[in-house]
Amino acid sequence: GENVEQHPSTLSVQEGDSAVIKCTYSDSASNYFPWYKQELGKGPQLIIDIRSNVGEKKDQRIAVTLNKTAKHFSLHITETQPEDSAVYFCAASIGVKMEYGNKLVFGAGTILRVKS
Amino acid sequence: NAGVTQTPKFQVLKTGQSMTLQCAQDMNHEYMSWYRQDPGMGLRLIHYSVGAGITDQGEVPNGYNVSRSTTEDFPLRLLSAAPSQTSVYFCASSYRAVGSYEQYFGPGTRLTVT
Repeated sequence: GENVEQHPSTLSVQEGDSAVIKCTYSDSASNYFPWYKQELGKGPQLIIDIRSNVGEKKDQRIAVTLNKTAKHFSLHITETQPEDSAVYFCAASIGVKMEYGNKLVFGAGTILRVKS
Repeated sequence: NAGVTQTPKFQVLKTGQSMTLQCAQDMNHEYMSWYRQDPGMGLRLIHYSVGAGITDQGEVPNGYNVSRSTTEDFPLRLLSAAPSQTSVYFCASSYRAVGSYEQYFGPGTRLTVT
């Protein structure tokens, strides 16, 4: 089955610096790759996602890149702010059909600390 | 909209006890799922449902039962609690349509089994 590895497990950056979190997946049939942010005591919340027919997607300070050949995708946060401190999870879809983009395997998570 | 709601927020059980974790959503989402979150292991899928009357197993279904009698509700039952089931449980829901995969998570239930 699908396996998603996420690195690093913890990341500390200075406010204003960039942060990069990387994930690799094993199932070449995966076609949907979301990133979720979880703040303390809350449920995860989608921040950005990408589908397999797109190589890069950007939303303000957040961007995601996908390399299907190498089976890895990355989250890039620029100009980090203290409110970016949280746990970030990558995920990959299970199954072949697009409608099953709902079914996900998650990485283990990255604790991001932004120091001001 | 209340979104996805979960009750209780906290629960302590003794080994062997049973209980039901409640989950409800008011967004008319077809797809609902249960995850457990353990330190260093991310979120693991327990069971999911693609609509009323249809459920299926995820990665870690043993020890848990689900049913989906309505679109809104998706309870998770622990039949005989074990210490290995100590975890934080999240319910999530989403549309089941091509291109609408965002999952909305509830606030979680922290369960301790002693």
